[in-house]
Amino acid sequence: GENVEQHPSTLSVQEGDSAVIKCTYSDSASNYFPWYKQELGKRPQLIIDIRSNVGEKKDQRIAVTLNKTAKHFSLHITETQPEDSAVYFCAASSYNNNDMRFGAGTRLTVKP
Amino acid sequence: DGGITQSPKYLFRKEGQNVTLSCEQNLNHDAMYWYRQDPGQGLRLIYYSQIVNDFQKGDIAEGYSVSREKKESFPLTVTSAQKNPTAFYLCASSIGQGWPYEQYFGPGTRLTVT
Repeated sequence: GENVEQHPSTLSVQEGDSAVIKCTYSDSASNYFPWYKQELGKRPQLIIDIRSNVGEKKDQRIAVTLNKTAKHFSLHITETQPEDSAVYFCAASSYNNNDMRFGAGTRLTVKP
Repeated sequence: DGGITQSPKYLFRKEGQNVTLSCEQNLNHDAMYWYRQDPGQGLRLIYYSQIVNDFQKGDIAEGYSVSREKKESFPLTVTSAQKNPTAFYLCASSIGQGWPYEQYFGPGTRLTVT
């Protein structure tokens, strides 16, 4: 089955700096890669996703890149703000959400 | 908020007791999921259901049971057979139907068993 590894487990940046979180996956059949943000005590919410027919996707300060050959994908947050502080999870799925597997999460802290 | 709800938010039980966690959605989604979240381990899939009256085991189904009698509801029972039941439980739903789509999560239930 799919195995998703996520790094780093914790990340601390200064406000205004960029943050990058990286994930690798094992199943070459995976074709959907969402990123979820979970604020303390709240539910995970989708912030961006990418499908395997696309190499990069951007939404304002957030971007995701996908390298299918190397089986890794990354989340990039530019101009970080304190409200970006949260735990971020990557995930990978192939046929449908039944086989979606999540990374262990990255706790991002943005210091003002 | 809204769309998918879980109750209660906090639940306390004595060891040896079964407990049922509620999950309801009004998004007309076919698929529903239960995840367990432990510190530093991400989300692990317990059970999923793609359609009413059908459900399948996920990676960590031992000690849990579910039912899917209605499209809107997917309750999870944590039985006394579950060795480490204390955790944060998240329910999710998605459109389903064979192609991966965004999962919408409920607010979660934090279960503490002593």
